[in-house]
Amino acid sequence: GAVVSQHPSWVICKSGTSVKIECRSLDFQATTMFWYRQFPKQSLMLMATSNEGSKATYEQGVEKDKFLINHASLTLSTLTVTSAHPEDSSFYICSAPPGQAFGLAGEAGGSQYFGPGTRLLVL
Amino acid sequence: DQQVKQNSPSLSVQEGRISILNCDYTNSMFDYFLWYKKYPAEGPTFLISISSIKDKNEDGRFTVFLNKSAKHLSLHIVPSQPGDSAVYFCAASVGGSYIPTFGRGTSLIVHP
Repeated sequence: GAVVSQHPSWVICKSGTSVKIECRSLDFQATTMFWYRQFPKQSLMLMATSNEGSKATYEQGVEKDKFLINHASLTLSTLTVTSAHPEDSSFYICSAPPGQAFGLAGEAGGSQYFGPGTRLLVL
Repeated sequence: DQQVKQNSPSLSVQEGRISILNCDYTNSMFDYFLWYKKYPAEGPTFLISISSIKDKNEDGRFTVFLNKSAKHLSLHIVPSQPGDSAVYFCAASVGGSYIPTFGRGTSLIVHP
């Protein structure tokens, strides 16, 4: 099936620094990707929808100036956590809908391919 | 306000027995429901789904049941295997949207 990769898989950084997380679709092009965040024992919370060639759409309560999203190509979306603080420590996951995958029927409408996630720890 | 609720944070089942994971939802607009499986330090993987026009969908050892009147769905795994040990997320969407609302997950442990 389609594969979505993320890099890095984990990162530790000092408070105040910026961290960039990459999300790539490896065998298909994705005009849309989604960024989620998961805190321990919490559900996956959608942060924003990344659109190739246009601005990202952020969910209510997510600061767009803090979580910069760039969907520069049909296979790459990046999430930059600017001036990271300890409360930003979380598990960040990206996903892409299968409907955009060439030659793939996809499991069903509404399902997504998720990346493996990036664990961020801000000290 | 949680629209998708998984009230059991964990479930322990013996290998070979049936695992039943439950999910409740509050938004009557939801018409498509999905289950995802997630291993530690990995992203979720799609498991099985069901649309609101059905009340059951089966795929191998996995069956999802939907009770629209009760706004309840459940995932049955039978027989359960140790490799099924993971966190299972219930998700729901409107109109087959690619942006489902997720529950908090239920951690399933299948012990030998």
